[in-house]
Amino acid sequence: NAGVTQTPKFQVLKTGQSMTLQCAQDMNHNSMYWYRQDPGMGLRLIYYSASEGTTDKGEVPNGYNVSRLNKREFSLRLESAAPSQTSVYFCASSGQPLNTGELFFGEGSRLTVL
Amino acid sequence: AQSVTQPDIHITVSEGASLELRCNYSYGATPYLFWYVQSPGQGLQLLLKYFSGDTLVQGIKGFEAEFKRSQSSFNLRKPSVHWSDAAEYFCAVGSNFNKFYFGSGTKLNVKP
Repeated sequence: NAGVTQTPKFQVLKTGQSMTLQCAQDMNHNSMYWYRQDPGMGLRLIYYSASEGTTDKGEVPNGYNVSRLNKREFSLRLESAAPSQTSVYFCASSGQPLNTGELFFGEGSRLTVL
Repeated sequence: AQSVTQPDIHITVSEGASLELRCNYSYGATPYLFWYVQSPGQGLQLLLKYFSGDTLVQGIKGFEAEFKRSQSSFNLRKPSVHWSDAAEYFCAVGSNFNKFYFGSGTKLNVKP
């Protein structure tokens, strides 16, 4: 099973450029999440989507936008990248009907903004 | 607001020794508590979780954790550490399954 798939895995941007991180899950999960991971700060929630058609801000939403395209896909967009957005980004999903609360993670996308 | 504190940034233990990783949380209601492990270059994998009931929970790879409401703690333990346990460990708290908050992580090194 593919689980949660993120693309791209690596990206280098210049300040001011835009890009979109793609995420897709094949587990029929309702909830999807975007986190960023920075050294010494753990994972911080950027945005989440509790169900198709809804999105909500997390702890650090500034500079990002998201789209829940359908139940499978949840994209994260940086409209004008800044060096402070250099990070590793993780997409995750959490499911129904078991609703165990377990998060299933992608392998991460490493973004460098110069 | 929910928060999770992992006071130890790095821990080194010898192979075969016991391990305890600390986690303290702040949450107004009964928390949903999790421990995840991250191997280098990988995403996070669930080790164990606590929702309710027995306060000592067993997880994969021989790990266990104990929920102590009076101390707002959910410490992770393993009786005998293996070299393959070297990784970063994250404690997390969840609310109504729609939001999860993570601690800053503890990196575990295992000495041969």
